[in-house]
Amino acid sequence: DAKTTQPTSMDCAEGRAANLPCNHSTISGNEYVYWYRQIHSQGPQYIIHGLKNNETNEMASLIITEDRKSSTLILPHATLRDTAVYYCIVRPWNTGNQFYFGTGTSLTVIP
Amino acid sequence: GAVVSQHPSRVICKSGTSVKIECRSLDFQATTMFWYRQFPKQSLMLMATSNEGSKATYEQGVEKDKFLINHASLTLSTLTVTSAHPEDSSFYICSARQGRDEAFFGQGTRLTVV
Repeated sequence: DAKTTQPTSMDCAEGRAANLPCNHSTISGNEYVYWYRQIHSQGPQYIIHGLKNNETNEMASLIITEDRKSSTLILPHATLRDTAVYYCIVRPWNTGNQFYFGTGTSLTVIP
Repeated sequence: GAVVSQHPSRVICKSGTSVKIECRSLDFQATTMFWYRQFPKQSLMLMATSNEGSKATYEQGVEKDKFLINHASLTLSTLTVTSAHPEDSSFYICSARQGRDEAFFGQGTRLTVV
């Protein structure tokens, strides 16, 4: 049960910001939003996670709406190496719960 | 981020034989490890969760006698595919986590059963 909805695919021009949306309308109060990405034939790579405040790290920014029912992952300056499948996952922080993956968004960065 | 290493990265085996895949956390102690399977153009499907020193918990529909998981130490978990068949050919990925932190993934093992 992935509990998230993402567009199947998106394109982004190289050098532009890539904005990847995720709907998680049934998110619970103790559930965090995690983002991972998977480049072809590799294991998933952790990107960022957050609870309710916006978060930023060296890879990306995570914008979570005030009602927490949706979020957007922002790659500020997309490069060809950012072409991957991006997964949005909600999961409680304070348990040993597993990460269940949905179908994700296949992002293609175009030269 | 933390490093999780899988070995081998790819393996070809004959139908009916068993294959063991290793997953190691290189720079942290993994209290929990997860095993996933991924078929072409599909998402990752969780197979089982294992905690160090205890039996693995398998997801519904995953045969525990076919996919043997051992998590003998805080840095090593193994998945053994027993009596492999062509339909077991897939991309197997392990993940490890220390405590409540985010999970880190291995690079995956491509299993081909011929």
